[in-house]
Amino acid sequence: QVQLQESGPGLVKPSETLSLTCTVSGGSISNYYWTWIRQPPGKRLEWIGNIYYSGSTNYNPSLKSRVTISVDTSKNQFSLKLDSVIAADTAVYYCARGTGWVPDYWGQGTLVAVAS
Amino acid sequence: EIVLTQSPGTLSLSPGESATLSCRASQSVRDNYLAWYQRKPGQAPRILITGASNRAAGIPDRLSGSGSGTDFTLTISRLGPEDSAVYYCLQYGSSPLTFGGGTKVEIK
Repeated sequence: QVQLQESGPGLVKPSETLSLTCTVSGGSISNYYWTWIRQPPGKRLEWIGNIYYSGSTNYNPSLKSRVTISVDTSKNQFSLKLDSVIAADTAVYYCARGTGWVPDYWGQGTLVAVAS
Repeated sequence: EIVLTQSPGTLSLSPGESATLSCRASQSVRDNYLAWYQRKPGQAPRILITGASNRAAGIPDRLSGSGSGTDFTLTISRLGPEDSAVYYCLQYGSSPLTFGGGTKVEIK
């Protein structure tokens, strides 16, 4: 069964770049969409965007100017970069596999705090 | 973007009872592309239903999804302790994808 694991710093300073990697095991990264989702404390889940294994991306317009999602098929990984972070970017970040656009398998999530 | 409103916020039910969870969309969900998830503390969210009514692999038939357009329902029959969780709906018919605020199901 496919498993996903998020990794990256748990603390990022304001105005810096948040970088997370999702490692996929138990399955190929090919032929699927790969998605990032977050949930700020006390707020609802928010779709950040996705990337097809071939590299085409789709982003939430609310974050599009600051987000980059990339994929490394040789490592079975995909990544998230969020620029110029502020306190409101504090959240649990999830990576997920998408069959079509619907996320089916998710990672457990990683908490990223933005603070100085 | 489509706003999803879930109700009720919390359901407290006894084992063996049935739970009815609602997800209402601010506009029609294209092709009924509506999914349901279950999330337990410390665990990855688990997909339950896609396309409003199609159970995901391994999901028991006591969980069922229904609805179309703007009104969708997840029904859980014969509740057991394992059903204690937060349930979310997601529309994936139009970008950006959006989630409901969640319904917490408590088993007395």
